[in-house]
Amino acid sequence: QSALTQPPSASGSLGQSVTISCTGTSSDVGGYNYVSWYQQYPGKAPKFMIYEVSKRPSGVPDRFSGSKSGNTASLTVSGLQAEDEAEYYCSSHAGSNNPVVFGGGTKLTVL
Amino acid sequence: QVQLQESGPGLVKPSETLSLTCSVSGGSISGFYWSWIRQPPGKGLDWIGYIYDSGSTNYNPSLKSRVTISADTSKNQFSLKLTSVTVADTAVYYCARVGDFSVKDWGQGTLVTVSS
Repeated sequence: QSALTQPPSASGSLGQSVTISCTGTSSDVGGYNYVSWYQQYPGKAPKFMIYEVSKRPSGVPDRFSGSKSGNTASLTVSGLQAEDEAEYYCSSHAGSNNPVVFGGGTKLTVL
Repeated sequence: QVQLQESGPGLVKPSETLSLTCSVSGGSISGFYWSWIRQPPGKGLDWIGYIYDSGSTNYNPSLKSRVTISADTSKNQFSLKLTSVTVADTAVYYCARVGDFSVKDWGQGTLVTVSS
């Protein structure tokens, strides 16, 4: 069982927006602004997409955005494109004994 | 941007020790945090632990008794040892660079199967 809770699946039509949630506790998501998001295609390594809740590394399209409210973080993908279909994982810092904890992943389907 | 490459046996027998090495190119391992993460087939990501420079380490509490991460700055490599493996340790193992609690650079991953 993963430390952070994500919905198993999400979907949206081409061009629309979709939001994926990542729910933790005050000991992880709610306690630190160190939430990250990763995109993973089948058989490939994850790709770093969002850090510190809402910051994008260089090269990540601005269609990807992150936010947080309380113990829940969210990833929003706007203007959905076919290549956005992938698995998305969140992670959070959870204190010195748990530097990084992951969510269980959300399979995003582009209709 | 650094490149990371995992290497090691793809098959390990139950009760034996899993050993993997990560070779880092495009930058020095000194001054950064380096991590191992695994992903069982069809499942999510599981944090194993990290090493900073060639010294301090931090391990997932659930694996702490069986894990050792070490680094060799002269070879620009870091390594993972996981003892007393079972079939539950079968996974793709990734080495990675961590910064500010984000996994910023990933190796391609290597599948390790635990089977007799």
